[in-house]
Amino acid sequence: ILNVEQSPQSLHVQEGDSTNFTCSFPSSNFYALHWYRWETAKSPEALFVMTLNGDEKKKGRISATLNTKEGYSYLYIKGSQPEDSATYLCALTYGGSQGNLIFGKGTKLSVKP
Amino acid sequence: DAGVTQSPTHLIKTRGQQVTLRCSPKSGHDTVSWYQQALGQGPQFIFQYYEEEERQRGNFPDRFSGHQFPNYSSELNVNALLLGDSALYLCASSLDPSGYEQYFGPGTRLTVT
Repeated sequence: ILNVEQSPQSLHVQEGDSTNFTCSFPSSNFYALHWYRWETAKSPEALFVMTLNGDEKKKGRISATLNTKEGYSYLYIKGSQPEDSATYLCALTYGGSQGNLIFGKGTKLSVKP
Repeated sequence: DAGVTQSPTHLIKTRGQQVTLRCSPKSGHDTVSWYQQALGQGPQFIFQYYEEEERQRGNFPDRFSGHQFPNYSSELNVNALLLGDSALYLCASSLDPSGYEQYFGPGTRLTVT
């Protein structure tokens, strides 16, 4: 059974703080890593899809890095805002079953004004 | 563009009953995947439909079945409901079975009493 680990489980920060979360995964037969942002009562929203070792992606204040050799990805949020409060999910796909997203349990971020 | 839509939003059923959940994919998408999110867990892959056939399946019993229609919409059926089937059921659509980018609906919350 493939296990995707996310840490921390939850995080409370003040507005303006920068923060980061980790996603760890088995690197064998890696195909792609996905980051999703999920606000309560809404649909999970795709942030990034990353496939290459060393990939770095950025969208506004949010950025992500990928290390497929050691099996981890970091998600960074610079200058957190209350609207960044959400659960951030990491999901992996592997060769031979690319349509099957294997999710971690997520990191729940709360940003206090 | 309406995005991925799911119905109903909430559903309450009794043990032993059967339930049908519905999903309409994002415009232009022909592949639909279903996920179950139990409390405190990340979403788990149930199965994927493409060209009206089940293409991939996760570790779920045969009580979970599905269907895809010619217009690409999909249904998830669960027979002989158990208390443990209580969960949020998410539908995701993608351009093709690789599932490189999956777009999620808001989910259907199923409660089994």
